[in-house]
Amino acid sequence: DAGVIQSPRHEVTEMGQEVTLRCKPISGHNSLFWYRQTMMRGLELLIYFNNNVPIDDSGMPEDRFSAKMPNASFSTLKIQPSEPRDSAVYFCASSFGGSDEQYFGPGTRLTVT
Amino acid sequence: KNEVEQSPQNLTAQEGEFITINCSYSVGISALHWLQQHPGGGIVSLFMLSSGKKKHGRLIATINIQEKHSSLHITASHPRDSAVYICAGVDSGGGADGLTFGKGTHLIIQP
Repeated sequence: DAGVIQSPRHEVTEMGQEVTLRCKPISGHNSLFWYRQTMMRGLELLIYFNNNVPIDDSGMPEDRFSAKMPNASFSTLKIQPSEPRDSAVYFCASSFGGSDEQYFGPGTRLTVT
Repeated sequence: KNEVEQSPQNLTAQEGEFITINCSYSVGISALHWLQQHPGGGIVSLFMLSSGKKKHGRLIATINIQEKHSSLHITASHPRDSAVYICAGVDSGGGADGLTFGKGTHLIIQP
């Protein structure tokens, strides 16, 4: 298995632009998690899905952030409009069963100028 | 709100030393993950445990549920063990739950 796949690996954009991050979980996993890592705050949960349904989005910082999971093999995290403080590494992780071991993708490093 | 605290924040040791990283967690957490983040940024899950002890190679993780405390040990440490080690708690509410992360321990093993 290729593991959790994220794209792009790096994204540099200007403030105000829309950014879309993509994640393909491990086949057969039914839970998907989006995390953000910054120097100041460390790793934080943004949102997680179980069987494609958003369960808890309380970690999503603002209305500018939205996440979708249209099917079991694909999820997106969108920021519209982006701001410099959104600069971070965004990780996607998946697991089989909500509390099972999570497998992390390589992350997307986002820089908003 | 669940909380996870790690110590130490930074640890530098010589190759071969026995390493211990500690993690304390709040009442609402039922299990812990230990994660390793490589210098390149990738995150690997080392262990997930809700009781007792697990061992994988030179890595050992223990958890004491009564004391709400977990430790990660590295025996015969090696420079390639240099990484950030993060403990993360699983909410005891059940179902699919995200993780509450500690701030990480930055470990450097010098040759």
